[in-house]
Amino acid sequence: AQSVSQHNHHVILSEAASLELGCNYSYGGTVNLFWYVQYPGQHLQLLLKYFSGDPLVKGIKGFEAEFIKSKFSFNLRKPSVQWSDTAEYFCAVNVPYGSGNTGKLIFGQGTTLQVKP
Amino acid sequence: DAGITQSPRHKVTETGTPVTLRCHQTENHRYMYWYRQDPGHGLRLIHYSYGVKDTDKGEVSDGYSVSRSKTEDFLLTLESATSSQTSVYFCAISEIRDRGTYEQYFGPGTRLTVT
Repeated sequence: AQSVSQHNHHVILSEAASLELGCNYSYGGTVNLFWYVQYPGQHLQLLLKYFSGDPLVKGIKGFEAEFIKSKFSFNLRKPSVQWSDTAEYFCAVNVPYGSGNTGKLIFGQGTTLQVKP
Repeated sequence: DAGITQSPRHKVTETGTPVTLRCHQTENHRYMYWYRQDPGHGLRLIHYSYGVKDTDKGEVSDGYSVSRSKTEDFLLTLESATSSQTSVYFCAISEIRDRGTYEQYFGPGTRLTVT
């Protein structure tokens, strides 16, 4: 069975600090990888995704993530965080369409990021 | 927002009562999902649907049932609500992109409190 693990549960940073949130998944085949962000009181929004190709993907608001297949990792990074990045971040994985796959996502536990002004 | 609405947005109910949450989408997506969000657990899949009257269980389906009689509506029913079902419930749809990849979009959520 697939699983996703986010190692950092609560991260506190000062503005302008660099961010890296860890995400590891367990599945031996091809996967699609996602990072979602949930701002306080809001629904989940897609931050970025990896399907194939260049393992370094760029998303909205200056976020990027790197897929390292050998490490089963998809870590999220941002060079300089802002107070407005305060939110909860979720890593998720699903299996591509086909062979009865239905696109359901497996989520990590989430990481709460607090950015101090 | 992929045209997803959820109703109600907030509900308080008593233990033992049945509750139905509604998810409505306007863009004719085939796949729909119900997740619950709880601190420390992320989002967990309750049930999903891959077409009208075609549904299946997710990882936390006990105590929940679903129905999909129309493409646009996916209903989640708590047959007899318990305090452990206090949670935020999110509906989602999948869009199938190029090369068979899925991309999910989420509704605004329903905050359910069972007292």
